[in-house]
Amino acid sequence: GEDVEQSLFLSVREGDSSVINCTYTDSSSTYLYWYKQEPGAGLQLLTYIFSNMDMKQDQRLTVLLNKKDKHLSLRIADTQTGDSAIYFCAERTGRRALTFGSGTRLQVQP
Amino acid sequence: GAVVSQHPSWVICKSGTSVKIECRSLDFQATTMFWYRQFPKQSLMLMATSNEGSKATYEQGVEKDKFLINHASLTLSTLTVTSAHPEDSSFYICSGERPDFTDTQYFGPGTRLTVL
Repeated sequence: GEDVEQSLFLSVREGDSSVINCTYTDSSSTYLYWYKQEPGAGLQLLTYIFSNMDMKQDQRLTVLLNKKDKHLSLRIADTQTGDSAIYFCAERTGRRALTFGSGTRLQVQP
Repeated sequence: GAVVSQHPSWVICKSGTSVKIECRSLDFQATTMFWYRQFPKQSLMLMATSNEGSKATYEQGVEKDKFLINHASLTLSTLTVTSAHPEDSSFYICSGERPDFTDTQYFGPGTRLTVL
């Protein structure tokens, strides 16, 4: 079955790096995604990684994928107060709908 | 980019009435759209997959007669909550699947439904 887990909360200081972790169980995942949700808003696609990749970097964002351990992480460099939000990882397997983690609330302290 | 809109952004209705929520892909054609439901401080739960020109596929436990989905065109899917009750109050989010080599889903801003 599909199960995606995330830690619920992360607090960092402005300027530090944030690392949000995610584990999944379905080894047939094709793509893995990171979405950002601000209060009362929909989901904004941040980045995605194909399952045969180990790493993807996009400006301040670095995604690491350990397929053996089924572990995905999102690193945000130089975290800003505007990065405060809930971050969801999601996996896509054979079915086209996404399975979401529970979300990690990132709090950035000035 | 790929933009998905939803209308309305919030709605308050009386118990027993029906509410229609629209989901539009503004700059791409979405043969497949998805409807999710999100309870406060929780994750998104898939309700149904909406395919243009065919019947929606509902997830287990989702009443198809209560949550009517119509995907009439490649840019519009609608979700109608029929005979709404307070327990239907939730945040409803749609997504459109952009048909490229990744078939990435792009999400609408969500509709907050409050049933009194």
